[in-house]
Amino acid sequence: GQQLNQSPQSMFIQEGEDVSMNCTSSSIFNTWLWYKQEPGEGPVLLIALYKAGELTSNGRLTAQFGITRKDSFLNISASIPSDVGIYFCAGQGGSEKLVFGKGTKLTVNP
Amino acid sequence: NAGVTQTPKFQVLKTGQSMTLQCAQDMNHNSMYWYRQDPGMGLRLIYYSASEGTTDKGEVPNGYNVSRLNKREFSLRLESAAPSQTSVYFCASSAGRTSGANVLTFGAGSRLTVL
Repeated sequence: GQQLNQSPQSMFIQEGEDVSMNCTSSSIFNTWLWYKQEPGEGPVLLIALYKAGELTSNGRLTAQFGITRKDSFLNISASIPSDVGIYFCAGQGGSEKLVFGKGTKLTVNP
Repeated sequence: NAGVTQTPKFQVLKTGQSMTLQCAQDMNHNSMYWYRQDPGMGLRLIYYSASEGTTDKGEVPNGYNVSRLNKREFSLRLESAAPSQTSVYFCASSAGRTSGANVLTFGAGSRLTVL
């Protein structure tokens, strides 16, 4: 089946630093989604990408849908302590089901 | 707006006991899903229901059953719990492919421990 490789698995950064994470796949996707999960909560949608090459921002977050349709990137600028959590990418191909990456756990040191 | 509501939030079972996780959504969504989340494994799909009256297996269906009771409710049942089913379970819903991208809305999760 389809699989997503999400990296890095974890990040430890200082407040104010920028963050980059990505997801890659051997399969083509039509949609890429980025979710954030805070401790004790369910994942919450951050950004949805629908077209190859699309670059979309949500505040300090920016995500891109790769030109090859096999990858996506999420950047967080000027990180703050409330950015901590697990970030998941998810891709949707020909079927209805989403395929999720295994997550990037972000820790921000004040 | 409640969104997706799961009950219970926490449950401890003994091996062999049965239980049902309840999920309800108030967004008039067509599709509903059950995932489990384990450390280092991400979110794995157990079962899903594309519409009322239909259910399909996901990636890890063994040991589970589901019921799409109506459009709002989708329950997950463990008939004979095993320690390997200790996990955090998430219910999610979406409008489905008819509305374009399949954006999921998740519940807050149910933490299950099987002793």
